[in-house]
Amino acid sequence: GENVEQHPSTLSVQEGDSAVIKCTYSDSASNYFPWYKQELGKRPQLIIDIRSNVGEKKDQRIAVTLNKTAKHFSLHITETQPEDSAVYFCAASPWGSNYKLTFGKGTLLTVNP
Amino acid sequence: DAGITQSPRHKVTETGTPVTLRCHQTENHRYMYWYRQDPGHGLRLIHYSYGVKDTDKGEVSDGYSVSRSKTEDFLLTLESATSSQTSVYFCAISESGGPYNEQFFGPGTRLTVL
Repeated sequence: GENVEQHPSTLSVQEGDSAVIKCTYSDSASNYFPWYKQELGKRPQLIIDIRSNVGEKKDQRIAVTLNKTAKHFSLHITETQPEDSAVYFCAASPWGSNYKLTFGKGTLLTVNP
Repeated sequence: DAGITQSPRHKVTETGTPVTLRCHQTENHRYMYWYRQDPGHGLRLIHYSYGVKDTDKGEVSDGYSVSRSKTEDFLLTLESATSSQTSVYFCAISESGGPYNEQFFGPGTRLTVL
């Protein structure tokens, strides 16, 4: 089955700096890569996703990149703000898997004012 | 938030007792999933459903069973709870159709097995 590795497990940045979280996946059939943000005590919330037919996607301060050849994808957050502090999860979904997601173990992002 | 509720939201039980968690959706989505979340492990799939009465195992299914008798409800049962099943349980839903489908999560159930 699919295996997703996520790094780093913790990340601390100063407000206004950029943050990058990286994930690798193992199944070449994976074609959908969402990112979730989870605040303390809350449910995971989908913040952005990328499909295998594109290499990059942006939404305001958030961007994701995908390198299918190397089987890795990354989340980039620019101009970080304290409210960006949360745990971020990457995931991958192989084609034909009933949309099952395999998650990375998460990155705790702390943005210091 | 998508129309997903989970009940109960918190439960404390004793080892060896049966426990059933309920996920209810009002979105009429075909796919439903049960995950558990533990520190250092992220979210792991327990079981999922791809239609009424159609279910399959995920990566950590031992000790759990599920049932889906109608579109809106997906039940997760711990036949005989153990302390290792202390966790936060999340239900998620996904609409059918197309090569990609977003999953949306319920609010979670915190289960403690003493």
